[in-house]
Amino acid sequence: KQEVTQIPAALSVPEGENLVLNCSFTDSAIYNLQWFRQDPGKGLTSLLLIQSSQREQTSGRLNASLDKSSGRSTLYIAASQPGDSATYLCAVRRRGGGNKLTFGTGTQLKVEL
Amino acid sequence: DGGITQSPKYLFRKEGQNVTLSCEQNLNHDAMYWYRQDPGQGLRLIYYSQIVNDFQKGDIAEGYSVSREKKESFPLTVTSAQKNPTAFYLCASSYRDSPLGEEAFFGQGTRLTVV
Repeated sequence: KQEVTQIPAALSVPEGENLVLNCSFTDSAIYNLQWFRQDPGKGLTSLLLIQSSQREQTSGRLNASLDKSSGRSTLYIAASQPGDSATYLCAVRRRGGGNKLTFGTGTQLKVEL
Repeated sequence: DGGITQSPKYLFRKEGQNVTLSCEQNLNHDAMYWYRQDPGQGLRLIYYSQIVNDFQKGDIAEGYSVSREKKESFPLTVTSAQKNPTAFYLCASSYRDSPLGEEAFFGQGTRLTVV
């Protein structure tokens, strides 16, 4: 059974700092991995999608990497801003039908002025 | 604008009642999903549907039912058999399963509270 873990569970940093969020998964037989952002009481916003054949994806200040063989992904946020404060979730898409996602429990990020 | 619309945003249910959560999408996606989110836990899959008139149970389907009569709509009914229904419910959609897997898009959620 696929399990997804995110460390740390919570993180507080000063504005401007570069930071790394970690995601690990137990079964490397995945199609892809997706990073999401969730603001309090809201739905999920897709940030980046990395296919299993790719090593990384970039969007603006965000860079996500994938090492499928070791079951790890990182989300790098450059020059953090207070508006980046949210919960960040990673999810892996299982092989074997259904296009289903298995989610981690998230990292709650607070960027302080 | 294309997107996924969930309604209502807040829903209150009395003990023993069935309630239905709405999810509509205009993205022309084939697949739709319902997830449940509880504090301190990851999202858990309740039901999913790859095509009209077909759906499968997810990891926590007990106490829930769905229908998929139209491509655009995937309503979720929380029945009285669901012992602990208070949670945040999220609907998602994507193109149908492919060897690469497709990006999933989510609605804004419905918060259900039992009173």
